[in-house]
Amino acid sequence: DSGVTQTPKHLITATGQRVTLRCSPRSGDLSVYWYQQSLDQGLQFLIQYYNGEERAKGNILERFSAQQFPDLHSELNLSSLELGDSALYFCASSVGPAVQETQYFGPGTRLLVL
Amino acid sequence: ILNVEQSPQSLHVQEGDSTNFTCSFPSSNFYALHWYRWETAKSPEALFVMTLNGDEKKKGRISATLNTKEGYSYLYIKGSQPEDSATYLCAFHTGTASKLTFGTGTRLQVTL
Repeated sequence: DSGVTQTPKHLITATGQRVTLRCSPRSGDLSVYWYQQSLDQGLQFLIQYYNGEERAKGNILERFSAQQFPDLHSELNLSSLELGDSALYFCASSVGPAVQETQYFGPGTRLLVL
Repeated sequence: ILNVEQSPQSLHVQEGDSTNFTCSFPSSNFYALHWYRWETAKSPEALFVMTLNGDEKKKGRISATLNTKEGYSYLYIKGSQPEDSATYLCAFHTGTASKLTFGTGTRLQVTL
C-alpha cells in the first residue's frame, strides 16, 4: 500500500458524460501527478500539481482538467467523454516537485466509456 | 519526442535464473531515470531513482546500473523467484518539463 488513495476504483459511464476522479496523496506529499494508461499504450503523463499550483502539463486533452485543493487532494475532471477515453487513470504523489523524487502510485481508477 | 525503449518486451525464466533487461533513453539533457515494478492488478511500485552516470543501486536481489553518456540502464535480478513476475518499467526525466516519460516495459514471468 503506497499511501495514495484514489476513488472510485471503477467507473462506467456513457459517451458525452462528465466524470470526476479523486486522489489523496500520501501524508506530507505536496506534489500530485496524473497518468493515463490506455490499451496498448504505456503510461502517459497528463499533469502535475505542486502545493496547489499547476507545475507541468503533458498530453492532457482540452476536455480534461485538474486541480489540487488546499488540503492537497486532487481531482481530475474528464468531460465530453469519448470511447477512446476508456483507460486506467493513476494518480501519484511525491514530497516535492524535483525530478529525483520517487513518485508513489495509487491503485488507479478504471474508466469504461460505453 | 522523447523515446524510451525497453528490451526485451517479455521474458520467461525458470526459478533461480538470473536475468537482466535494458532501458535505452536519449543521452542529452538527462536528469533522472526511474525504475518501477508493476504487478498485475496492482499499481507501479518504485524500485530506484538514478541520477548520476555510473550509479549503481541495489535492493535485495534486484540491482540497476546507469550509463548516461551512452543512454542506457540495466536492471538485474539475481536468482529469480516466482514473486518477481511483473512488468518492469523505466521512466526518463529530462528536467525540461517536470514529467516522466515511461517505456512500455519488460514483462517478466518466472516459473518453477
